[in-house]
Amino acid sequence: AQSVTQLDSQVPVFEEAPVELRCNYSSSVSVYLFWYVQYPNQGLQLLLKYLSGSTLVKGINGFEAEFNKSQTSFHLRKPSVHISDTAEYFCAVKSNTGKLIFGQGTTLQVKP
Amino acid sequence: DTAVSQTPKYLVTQMGNDKSIKCEQNLGHDTMYWYKQDSKKFLKIMFSYNNKELIINETVPNRFSPKSPDKAHLNLHINSLELGDSAVYFCASSQVPGAGNTIYFGEGSWLTVV
Repeated sequence: AQSVTQLDSQVPVFEEAPVELRCNYSSSVSVYLFWYVQYPNQGLQLLLKYLSGSTLVKGINGFEAEFNKSQTSFHLRKPSVHISDTAEYFCAVKSNTGKLIFGQGTTLQVKP
Repeated sequence: DTAVSQTPKYLVTQMGNDKSIKCEQNLGHDTMYWYKQDSKKFLKIMFSYNNKELIINETVPNRFSPKSPDKAHLNLHINSLELGDSAVYFCASSQVPGAGNTIYFGEGSWLTVV
């Protein structure tokens, strides 16, 4: 069975500092990995996704993620965060039936 | 134009009532979903329809009944609401449910049962 673990429930960081949100997955089949962001009281927005090819994936708002098959990880990074990046971030793996299996979420708190 | 729209955004209702949440997508997608986000922000799929046919039903109580009149609409009807049904319900859509296709989410419907 596929599963996703987000290793940090909360990540506090100061504005303009770099950030990494960690995600590990478990899958016995080909993986399709996603990062979504949820701003307060809003829906989910796709940040980026990995399907195949280059292991470094660039997304919106300056975020990027690296697929590491040997470590079964898909960590999300941003070199310099803004206050507006404060949100909940979800890592997800897609099953063969098409459903998204989400991690528990990581709250990114950007402080001034 | 909103790609996946759902109404109402906020709903407060009493235990035992029956309520519906409507969802429409204008992306031309064949597949629609309902996800539930609980108080701990954990997201889990409830249902998926492909071209009006139910393809995923994740052991949701039968008080929850999805209805898809056409492939652009997937409504969620909930009977005999319970306190534990309080959550955020997200409608979503994608092209055919292939593993690589992006799922697009609506803004969510905040349901509070009192």
